Amino acid sequence: AQSVTQLGSHVSVSEGALVLLRCNYSSSVPPYLFWYVQYPNQGLQLLLKYTSAATLVKGINGFEAEFKKSETSFHLTKPSAHMSDAAEYFCAVSSGNTPLVFGKGTRLSVIA
Amino acid sequence: DTGVSQNPRHKITKRGQNVTFRCDPISEHNRLYWYRQTLGQGPEFLTYFQNEAQLEKSRLLSDRFSAERPKGSFSTLEIQRTEQGDSAMYLCASSSQSTGGATDTQYFGPGTRLTVL
Repeated sequence: AQSVTQLGSHVSVSEGALVLLRCNYSSSVPPYLFWYVQYPNQGLQLLLKYTSAATLVKGINGFEAEFKKSETSFHLTKPSAHMSDAAEYFCAVSSGNTPLVFGKGTRLSVIA
Repeated sequence: DTGVSQNPRHKITKRGQNVTFRCDPISEHNRLYWYRQTLGQGPEFLTYFQNEAQLEKSRLLSDRFSAERPKGSFSTLEIQRTEQGDSAMYLCASSSQSTGGATDTQYFGPGTRLTVL
């Protein structure tokens, strides 16, 4: 079975500050890992995904995530937060062409 | 590519009524997924199709839930005898199955928000 734990249901940062959203996974097989963003009243949009190639994955809107097998982590970062980054962020895991298993999400607030 | 569309976007119904939601996937995608999202939670997988074949339905929440994809294009999710606990956002996603063991990328629709009174 696979699972995802997102540490911190709510993260608040100042505009221009580093964004760090934490995700730890559990998987008995090599995982595929994803970060999705959800804006209010909208569906989920893919930010980036790890598929066993490079461990540092770059995504859209300046976000990146690093796969660390030894720590079973896939934390999401962005060097400088923008007001438009305020949203709900979900980490998810799969074992290939299987349904995604999502974490509970982290709500990011950006303070001007 | 117009993206995944879902209709209706909002549905309010009374307890005990049946409801049906529709999902139109991205046209060339052969896989279609249904998820449920409740307040403060991540999406929870319900069922999925590859073309018209339903590959997994054991996660459907009860026998009141059913899904179809009759021609391998659009899909419907039906909830019979709705209960207040069914109130949630129902999300649809589609993907094109990757070959060689790679994983597909799921693209999500805007969701249908169900409120059961």
